[in-house]
Amino acid sequence: GENVEQHPSTLSVQEGDSAVIKCTYSDSASNYFPWYKQELGKRPQLIIDIRSNVGEKKDQRIAVTLNKTAKHFSLHITETQPEDSAVYFCAASIDDMRFGAGTRLTVKP
Amino acid sequence: GAGVSQSPSNKVTEKGKDVELRCDPISGHTALYWYRQSLGQGLEFLIYFQGNSAPDKSGLPSDRFSAERTGGSVSTLTIQRTQQEDSAVYLCASSFTKTGELFFGEGSRLTVL
Repeated sequence: GENVEQHPSTLSVQEGDSAVIKCTYSDSASNYFPWYKQELGKRPQLIIDIRSNVGEKKDQRIAVTLNKTAKHFSLHITETQPEDSAVYFCAASIDDMRFGAGTRLTVKP
Repeated sequence: GAGVSQSPSNKVTEKGKDVELRCDPISGHTALYWYRQSLGQGLEFLIYFQGNSAPDKSGLPSDRFSAERTGGSVSTLTIQRTQQEDSAVYLCASSFTKTGELFFGEGSRLTVL
């Protein structure tokens, strides 16, 4: 199956700064790349996704970029707020959905 | 239903016992996944059902683990002869299509003493 690697494992930023999380995938046939946010004690929830026919997608303070040639995609959060603190997971899918190991983001007020 | 439902929410069992975890996906969702999440860790893929196709069992960690999905709806994950390392939260997720948003259940927290 698909192998997804995610970096960094932990990220600490000051409120108002930007945060970037990067993922790489192994199967060039993967065509769907979602990002999930998991708050402490909660279930993961989709925050943004991108398909392979698109290079970038933005939703308010969140954006995702995809480089199919390099097989990597990134999550960008601008103007971070304390409520952005959570674990973020990237995933890649060609058929089934495989997740990266997660990034614990802490936004310090 | 309104969302993905899992039961039990918590299960404490003794080493060596068998356990069954149940997942009731969102009605109409053809894809169903089981993931395992150990404390503070990531989402470990276990098994994937898509429609009437043969399930992808490539993530099951040992032959003590099995899962079935009856009638394309409810799924049961069975762990035989539980070990302490099986302790984790088992998350079920369903999706309308095979490459679409996953909706997760609240999870079943398994503790093996």
